[in-house]
Amino acid sequence: ETGVTQSPTHLIKTRGQQVTLRCSSQSGHNTVSWYQQALGQGPQFIFQYYREEENGRGNFPPRFSGLQFPNYSSELNVNALELDDSALYLCASSAPGQGRTEAFFGQGTRLTVV
Amino acid sequence: DAKTTQPTSMDCAEGRAANLPCNHSTISGNEYVYWYRQIHSQGPQYIIHGLKNNETNEMASLIITEDRKSSTLILPHATLRDTAVYYCIVRVAADNYGQNFVFGPGTRLSVLP
Repeated sequence: ETGVTQSPTHLIKTRGQQVTLRCSSQSGHNTVSWYQQALGQGPQFIFQYYREEENGRGNFPPRFSGLQFPNYSSELNVNALELDDSALYLCASSAPGQGRTEAFFGQGTRLTVV
Repeated sequence: DAKTTQPTSMDCAEGRAANLPCNHSTISGNEYVYWYRQIHSQGPQYIIHGLKNNETNEMASLIITEDRKSSTLILPHATLRDTAVYYCIVRVAADNYGQNFVFGPGTRLSVLP
């Protein structure tokens, strides 16, 4: 158990729809990152949030957006879903300001776009 | 792109030590070596990280060569539950705001009974 929780665990959406995934970070962790993991591949960095602002982004289009709340929890929003968005979405929290730079991952949300 | 090279797969007998190599010949002076593993359909699990000294914790040991161009993760007594994909990642550790982990394909370790 890492203390990072994600919801829902599984989700099925139709192409063109919008989806919101949620993440609660480990207690005391103020930095949240999101990753996409397609089947058979390693996780790919989407973006990172610190103090409610995005401060790093991978090669993902603007229809991938996020939020971080004052309690450090976070949401990942994906608009205009495409079939290729089907993947495991992972949230990771860390506390770099406390010298703890390792990130702890949640169990992920499995998104299927049909 | 990932800055590390790992074997695609390895087998290990249960109860024996599993030694997982990683090459990172272009590592910079301020980059650490991190190891994660991912058991099927679960989120990656942090194992250990280090800069230049060997590190040990309750899960594993990390041996980094003196020139820091390669490292080895050692699971001292592998069990069936250690079957997973193991990722070796190099990344700046200090002030990681905006930094992310770049995952390669990793090594698929199979622990055999």
